[in-house]
Order: sequence, then structure tokens, then C-alpha cells
Amino acid sequence: DQQVKQNSPSLSVQEGRISILNCDYTNSMFDYFLWYKKYPAEGPTFLISISSIKDKNEDGRFTVFLNKSAKHLSLHIVPSQPGDSAVYFCAASGQTSGSRLTFGEGTQLTVNP
Amino acid sequence: DTGVSQNPRHKITKRGQNVTFRCDPISEHNRLYWYRQTLGQGPEFLTYFQNEAQLEKSRLLSDRFSAERPKGSFSTLEIQRTEQGDSAMYLCASSLGTGLQPQHFGDGTRLSIL
Repeated sequence: DQQVKQNSPSLSVQEGRISILNCDYTNSMFDYFLWYKKYPAEGPTFLISISSIKDKNEDGRFTVFLNKSAKHLSLHIVPSQPGDSAVYFCAASGQTSGSRLTFGEGTQLTVNP
Repeated sequence: DTGVSQNPRHKITKRGQNVTFRCDPISEHNRLYWYRQTLGQGPEFLTYFQNEAQLEKSRLLSDRFSAERPKGSFSTLEIQRTEQGDSAMYLCASSLGTGLQPQHFGDGTRLSIL
């Protein structure tokens, strides 16, 4: 069963605008959520995380929002830059899953100049 | 911070052969993880170590797969009698073992089975 789901395989935005990437999860025991960015031929790069005791975490142009009741998180990138073009993965871990991360399928973000 | 290092970057082998991959984690990280990623999917967890102890293994890790982390530093992942379905990117990650800490990934080893 897919416990972490990213329903949009791709997203295209204009440079300078906001990018919003979404992620849904089903396991209510997840308590730590992360976003990774991946360029071709490279490993995933950690971007930002949030624990379940918070509903928002911000780091520069990146903000992650967590809605526990809806089991939904989102990543906002403002302003978007062409260098942000990559595949974005959300991931989750929880007390019952030990330290393993469960990943979504990824969303390909393209930022057009 | 030298990052997580994986070798080799690419491995091409014939079906039925054995292969071994190496991962060197970030030096102060005591947790080490192996994941597998196939095209169009996110990484899938295989196994993890805290220091030299292998604490968790996924059902994906069949008995042809074995991982070790002797002395709690680098780790190796061996696949015996490789099959076509083993073709994938094998990713290693490491993290600190205290609190909620992000995992940091290497660039992976791409395995191709002929």
C-alpha cells in the first residue's frame, strides 16, 4: 500500500512565481516529514523537514506546511527559480516504522525562465 | 563535511553474478541506511544500521541480499546470484542517531543486469 502519495507527477511554473508541491499520507503514526530535491544522476538532497508538533517550518525560500487532520503536507517555494527544476520527493517516518523513510513517487518541477 | 560517498557509481554485470557496493557515511553519523530506487518511483527502504548493529530489514531484502557494517563505519551491500529485477539505483544515506534528524544521501550506485 502506498502510505505516502504525491498525486501530481509534474508541475510547471514561471520564474518568480510560487511553486506548491503537495503530498498526502495515510499512516497516522508518521511524526516526521521531509522534502528532498533530486537532480538527474545525483542522490536526493535534503531540503526541509517538519515534526508533527508543528504546522509550519520555513527556511529561506522554502516553507513546509503540515495539516495533520487532513494528513496532508505541502512545500511552497517562493520565488521559484530555474535552478529549482528537479524532482521533489516527500518522505515520512514514525515511531512504528523505526528510522525508515517512506517516500512518495515524486513530482517533477519545471521552472520556466 | 565530505558527504556520503558510494562506490562504484555504475555497475554492469551478467545475470547470476555477485556484486558488492560500498558506502562511506558522513563521519560523525552513527546511523546508516540502504534504499533502492527504480525508475519513476521514490526510494524504497532496504535496511538500516545503528553503529555496527543491523536493526531493521525490509521484506524487499531477500536472502540473496546481505549488508554489513563491520566496526560501525563504512557499509557494504552484496547481492548474490543477481536477477534482472535487481536492476535499480542503490542509495545509501546516513544520519545522526539522536532526535529527529534528516537522512543525507549519497549519489547512489546504478546496477544494470545484462
